[in-house]
Amino acid sequence: GNSVTQMEGPVTLSEEAFLTINCTYTATGYPSLFWYVQYPGEGLQLLLKATKADDKGSNKGFEATYRKETTSFHLEKGSVQVSDSAVYFCALKDGRDNQFYFGTGTSLTVIP
Amino acid sequence: GAGVSQSPSNKVTEKGKDVELRCDPISGHTALYWYRQSLGQGLEFLIYFQGNSAPDKSGLPSDRFSAERTGGSVSTLTIQRTQQEDSAVYLCASSLAGGYSYEQYFGPGTRLTVT
Repeated sequence: GNSVTQMEGPVTLSEEAFLTINCTYTATGYPSLFWYVQYPGEGLQLLLKATKADDKGSNKGFEATYRKETTSFHLEKGSVQVSDSAVYFCALKDGRDNQFYFGTGTSLTVIP
Repeated sequence: GAGVSQSPSNKVTEKGKDVELRCDPISGHTALYWYRQSLGQGLEFLIYFQGNSAPDKSGLPSDRFSAERTGGSVSTLTIQRTQQEDSAVYLCASSLAGGYSYEQYFGPGTRLTVT
């Protein structure tokens, strides 16, 4: 079956630190992979996506590379800001049934 | 363009009452999803619609929960005889179907409080 596993949070970093949030997946087909972000008091919004192996998604300084060999889609940012404090969700979409599978979310707090 | 809208944004109800939550997806999106998010928790999948039919109802927590979608557009999630454990934010999302690369677009959610 399909599933997504994210690193447990919460994660607390100082401003300008390097961020990695691990995400691994299990899929029976060839899924697309997504990172969603939920800022405090707001709804979920798409951060970035990758639709095939070796694709790199990027947005707002965040990057993630679709690694088929390690079934991973780790989120990285070189220098986090206080405004990046949010909950981050990794997800996959199985194109055969249009169903989405979400990780449990990782809370990030960036302190000045 | 208009995004996914949900109403009401907040609902307070007494235990045992029925509630209806509404979702208006993005025009042209044939796939529609309902999730539940309890305080500090992740997303709990409830139900998925493709057009007006629901191929996957596996996430509905009990027979008190039901959902329908009409005209391939608006969807309502109904919770009968609400319980305190139903208190949560209910999220709706829509997506273009027929392609594995299409992402979901989420609504702002309905915060349900059962007293």
